[in-house]
Amino acid sequence: ETGVTQSPTHLIKTRGQQVTLRCSSQSGHNTVSWYQQALGQGPQFIFQYYREEENGRGNFPPRFSGLQFPNYSSELNVNALELDDSALYLCASSQETYEQYFGPGTRLTVT
Amino acid sequence: AQKITQTQPGMFVQEKEAVTLDCTYDTSDPSYGLFWYKQPSSGEMIFLIYQGSYDQQNATEGRYSLNFQKARKSANLVISASQLGDSAMYFCAIEGGFKTIFGAGTRLFVKA
Repeated sequence: ETGVTQSPTHLIKTRGQQVTLRCSSQSGHNTVSWYQQALGQGPQFIFQYYREEENGRGNFPPRFSGLQFPNYSSELNVNALELDDSALYLCASSQETYEQYFGPGTRLTVT
Repeated sequence: AQKITQTQPGMFVQEKEAVTLDCTYDTSDPSYGLFWYKQPSSGEMIFLIYQGSYDQQNATEGRYSLNFQKARKSANLVISASQLGDSAMYFCAIEGGFKTIFGAGTRLFVKA
């Protein structure tokens, strides 16, 4: 059974640019959630996708968007990057159960 | 809206002793789930334990148990027989209405 993977591991972008982060869910999982974790803080819920549809969203602006594909892999897109977007981005997958399996995260630095 | 409050930024415990990490929550959802996760310095989030809002018994997973007091809206994590490898950040989280909200976390230090 393959775990949750994320790519890239680290990324450096310039303010104003756009970024795409990728997540491959654990085999058989149809739900994926994305979180932003700033240094020293708890993860903040961005949104959740279930069977390719967004079904839950946190307090993030529209420039944070996502996709979930038929194979249940997922992307997080962030437009017009700001310095405060620098954080660890975590995705987590689940299969209609309560237990979410987290990936190792992507560390995004915006300069 | 959901909210998780973890009032202990840091905790120290002697190896082999038990420790309780506090968590209180607020939600308007009639059905919800409560979780605890461990995050070592390496960064990965590790699921520890889950409690459903309608579960009558407190959840246990090995050395971890969740002291669920629904009327008080608290979901404290008890770690028995602490080990040096338990040193990490611990997050309480609540899931409901297709959202999962995490607390600010408690950093646990286990002393030899």
